[in-house]
Amino acid sequence: ETGVTQTPRHLVMGMTNKKSLKCEQHLGHNAMYWYKQSAKKPLELMFVYNFKEQTENNSVPSRFSPECPNSSHLFLHLHTLQPEDSALYLCASSQGGAVGTDTQYFGPGTRLTVL
Amino acid sequence: KNEVEQSPQNLTAQEGEFITINCSYSVGISALHWLQQHPGGGIVSLFMLSSGKKKHGRLIATINIQEKHSSLHITASHPRDSAVYICAVVSLKTSYDKVIFGPGTSLSVIP
Repeated sequence: ETGVTQTPRHLVMGMTNKKSLKCEQHLGHNAMYWYKQSAKKPLELMFVYNFKEQTENNSVPSRFSPECPNSSHLFLHLHTLQPEDSALYLCASSQGGAVGTDTQYFGPGTRLTVL
Repeated sequence: KNEVEQSPQNLTAQEGEFITINCSYSVGISALHWLQQHPGGGIVSLFMLSSGKKKHGRLIATINIQEKHSSLHITASHPRDSAVYICAVVSLKTSYDKVIFGPGTSLSVIP
């Protein structure tokens, strides 16, 4: 496989469930990102990992917990979510360095619905 | 007032038309990105600019740092160009919200 992959592509969960989103990049990049895209709202940067170190946190609620075990894999652990967390969650990767200074490659996204 | 604004919000064009999408911002920036999002969600990075002009195929992006404005032009538009085009700026802030996205422009090109 090439590029950035995300699984699952669609997820429906209840507010009491715990689930995880997975992202994998096959581009040899050193930075990975989680974005949230809610309906009718601009993209929001949630988390950044540069060389496996979390460098920025957008004051995202603690019910979202990122994990980056190596430079190719990124997870977003979800627990006790709210219906307003329903959104498209996008993963991206880039060569690394200061945020926004290089081209990012996006995965197809996970469409999350919280009931 | 949003820090990054785009116009128009929606655009319908006939195939072959020249299209311009505008992005204006109110913060100091180090770079600006244009992204394309197709139905279904996939996003492709089109350009990263810090000055001047870039061209790739039928797409041209320009930026005027003094006027805090960027434009994305599509020449000889085609139905496959139908997508949402998103402008994102990399602000000079050091806080977590340094990457600021515009609301997007939805383009529909009709055959």
